[in-house]
Amino acid sequence: QTVVTQEPSFSVSPGGTVTLTCGLSSGSVSTSYYPSWYQQTPGQAPRTLIYNTNTRSSGVPDRFSGSIVGNKAALTITGAQADDESDYYCVLHMGSGSWVFGGGTKLTVL
Amino acid sequence: EVQLLESGGDLVQPGGSLRLSCAASGFTFSSCAMNWVRQAPGKGLEWVSTIGGSGAVTYYADSVKGRFTISRDNSKNTLFLQMNSLRAEDTAIYYCTKGGPHATYFDCWGQGTLVTVSS
Repeated sequence: QTVVTQEPSFSVSPGGTVTLTCGLSSGSVSTSYYPSWYQQTPGQAPRTLIYNTNTRSSGVPDRFSGSIVGNKAALTITGAQADDESDYYCVLHMGSGSWVFGGGTKLTVL
Repeated sequence: EVQLLESGGDLVQPGGSLRLSCAASGFTFSSCAMNWVRQAPGKGLEWVSTIGGSGAVTYYADSVKGRFTISRDNSKNTLFLQMNSLRAEDTAIYYCTKGGPHATYFDCWGQGTLVTVSS
C-alpha cells in the first residue's frame, strides 16, 4: 500500500516563505510521478496550482512554485498572503493509471 | 471556459445504487481523460476512477473496484459514475475532473455532488 506523505499542518508569517513537501512512505518522488499540487479552501472545490512537478496552472501567481527537493516533491510559496491560508494537496501518478493523494497540509498564515 | 457540472448525488441506504453524471462544456470532451475524485466529510482527497478519451480504458481505486463503473457519452459530453453496493464509507463529495494533456494531472474541477450513504 503506497502512502503519500505531507505535513499535516504548517504556519507561515505574512510575506514569508514556506515549503510544503510530498513524499513516499518508501522510495523517492521523481518527475516520473508527475507530482501536482491543489489548493482547497473550506467549502470550495480544489484548484489546480502546479502540475508536472513545476508548471503553474493558468492564472496561478508566480509566488507559487514547484520542484523536487531531495527525495520529495515540494511546493514553495514566496511572499505568503492571507488568502493563501488553505489546505494543500499533492498527488502522484503511480503508473497503471492509478493516483495517490497525500493527506493534505493545512497552511495557516499568521 | 471549461465547465464541469456534477449531478445525481443523494441520500441512499447501504447496499443501494446511485448514478452520478458530469456535464462538460468548453473543451473537446472526447479528447480528454476524465476522472472522479471524492472527499469524505472533513477528510482529504481520494482518487476514485479514470476513463480515457474514447472510453476504452478505465482505472479504479481498490476501494471501489468491482462496485463502481465509470463511463462516458462523448456524443453528449457527459461523464458517469455508476455506484453499486454502496457503503457508509462511500459518503463523500464526488468531484468530476478533467485530465490535463497526457492525463498527467487534474486540470479542472467541478463543484462536486454529495453522496450520503446511511440508513
